[in-house]
Amino acid sequence: AQKVTQAQTEISVVEKEDVTLDCVYETRDTTYYLFWYKQPPSGELVFLIRRNSFDEQNEISGRYSWNFQKSTSSFNFTITASQVVDSAVYFCALMRGSNYKLTFGKGTLLTVNP
Amino acid sequence: DTGVSQDPRHKITKRGQNVTFRCDPISEHNRLYWYRQTLGQGPEFLTYFQNEAQLEKSRLLSDRFSAERPKGSFSTLEIQRTEQGDSAMYLCASSLQGWDSPLHFGNGTRLTVT
Repeated sequence: AQKVTQAQTEISVVEKEDVTLDCVYETRDTTYYLFWYKQPPSGELVFLIRRNSFDEQNEISGRYSWNFQKSTSSFNFTITASQVVDSAVYFCALMRGSNYKLTFGKGTLLTVNP
Repeated sequence: DTGVSQDPRHKITKRGQNVTFRCDPISEHNRLYWYRQTLGQGPEFLTYFQNEAQLEKSRLLSDRFSAERPKGSFSTLEIQRTEQGDSAMYLCASSLQGWDSPLHFGNGTRLTVT
């Protein structure tokens, strides 16, 4: 069975603070894909990043960075110098290498206060 | 790229009524997915299509639910004899074929069953 755990239900920070959203996953597959999506109040899920299980290289995109560690089954997401527009629910998700179903975590509500 | 479009955005119906939602995927995407999201939870997979073929259905999709994609373009999701437990956000997503193609989600249809 596959499972994604986002232990942080809600995080509140002040603008310009750095914040890390945690994601721990469980799977027996050797081939899998990990995703992060952002869901602003408008409701649309916005794709942020995809990693495959064979690529543990960390990635940076502007103020966003991702730390993938297979040894701890974690795929954490860091926002540097947070901004009010970063306020949203962030979901981590897992896809098996053999099908196209995404298993989502319960999400982390990030509130960035001015 | 006009994005994934869903209609209606909101639907309020009385218990026992039938409802139908429509999803128009990104035009060149041949895969189409339906997910359901309840308050405070991540989206849960319901079903997906490759072109017009429905390839997988979740056990969450009871006999009262039916999805179609008749010409491999838009899709409809019908719920018959709605129950209060059907109240949720119904999300549609589409993607290109290929393991590394991310899902692009629409804004969703929020269903309220009274």
